[in-house]
Amino acid sequence: EAQVTQNPRYLITVTGKKLTVTCSQNMNHEYMSWYRQDPGLGLRQIYYSMNVEVTDKGDVPEGYKVSRKEKRNFPLILESPSPNQTSLYFCASSPRDRGPAGELFFGEGSRLTVL
Amino acid sequence: AQKITQTQPGMFVQEKEAVTLDCTYDTSDPSYGLFWYKQPSSGEMIFLIYQGSYDQQNATEGRYSLNFQKARKSANLVISASQLGDSAMYFCAMREGGTGRRALTFGSGTRLQVQP
Repeated sequence: EAQVTQNPRYLITVTGKKLTVTCSQNMNHEYMSWYRQDPGLGLRQIYYSMNVEVTDKGDVPEGYKVSRKEKRNFPLILESPSPNQTSLYFCASSPRDRGPAGELFFGEGSRLTVL
Repeated sequence: AQKITQTQPGMFVQEKEAVTLDCTYDTSDPSYGLFWYKQPSSGEMIFLIYQGSYDQQNATEGRYSLNFQKARKSANLVISASQLGDSAMYFCAMREGGTGRRALTFGSGTRLQVQP
């Protein structure tokens, strides 16, 4: 089954404790991206990657890091989480060369609470 | 400036009736795509329908259709014959073709509740 898998799905942590949210896709997509969803704001892009070893900032990158060492994996790293990073996080992927077309395939989401 | 505007925070509709969810967008890029996603209470994002800026006809997918009015920069989602399972949050999104980011810019969403 074609899917994007995120882990963990739920996490409660404390300020400053480093954490990683993993993301893996099995569709051989070049493009992967992270979004955060906050009430009233919709989804906002954090980071994206056009291919292995190619990453760049989205709209809200502060406080996050990413890496893309393999095509299928795109982990999101919070080096020192703060309460304003409490949010619902989505990983997404899509084929790269589709112009404006090509929907994003989303993972099931990871709900993060930082105390 | 907001690129995607959804002015209806919440909507109610009776089961079996049609409902229109509004979406307006703002872009100067002649090549763009418009998407609608559904987010049920379980949280996952489900792709519903896509409309390209150069598409001559309005997109349709089963009970979903996109009322695309390019001059007005609107891309409203029409759900026909509403079902209880349509109760969810609905997001309109846009991708501008000229950017390499392939990012989707989302609106703030509309919560639809289907009443029996």
